[in-house]
Amino acid sequence: DTEVTQTPKHLVMGMTNKKSLKCEQHMGHRAMYWYKQKAKKPPELMFVYSYEKLSINESVPSRFSPECPNSSLLNLHLHALQPEDSALYLCASSQDYFPLADLYNEQFFGPGTRLTVL
Amino acid sequence: DQQVKQNSPSLSVQEGRISILNCDYTNSMFDYFLWYKKYPAEGPTFLISISSIKDKNEDGRFTVFLNKSAKHLSLHIVPSQPGDSAVYFCAAGGSQGNLIFGKGTKLSVKP
Repeated sequence: DTEVTQTPKHLVMGMTNKKSLKCEQHMGHRAMYWYKQKAKKPPELMFVYSYEKLSINESVPSRFSPECPNSSLLNLHLHALQPEDSALYLCASSQDYFPLADLYNEQFFGPGTRLTVL
Repeated sequence: DQQVKQNSPSLSVQEGRISILNCDYTNSMFDYFLWYKKYPAEGPTFLISISSIKDKNEDGRFTVFLNKSAKHLSLHIVPSQPGDSAVYFCAAGGSQGNLIFGKGTKLSVKP
């Protein structure tokens, strides 16, 4: 299984709603990532989890709250979002967070969740 | 300041010809480079990578060339096919483990 799955595929929410995005991988990867991608822009890193611990938070507003319940799952909890938060949210995983020798830190991406905030 | 630059936002190529996508970087500490292909509304798909200790890596129709002295890499697709039409992202990584992406180049392969 070389797949990263994300649910839901599409999400529409109001600014007062609370929702969660889910990501799952069964490749035994120990690093998982959240990216945000706006139209015609490259993915922007939001969070990195390594061995279920938050390693990087790229100054993301607190209305985005990541959670890694176990090594296969990564959630992104959303609360009080703004319309400008509408974007494609991508989850990715890699074998490890710190590359070893010649192992590339190849990241496998999920299909993304298309989020619209009204 | 952009650490990874793809200066061509778009490229149009005839089917069967060679597509050359370029990428420049500024940080000499990057250890590896990757190319991703992305279709609309989908996540990026890994294509090919190269370590900073190599200058060429080939996989089928895809070849990546790295020129460390010029801090430049390129992706060659030969022969180009209409199904190759997508946005191609160059990405670079180092010991920190995260990736820095370029802005992408939209490739259109015309039949």
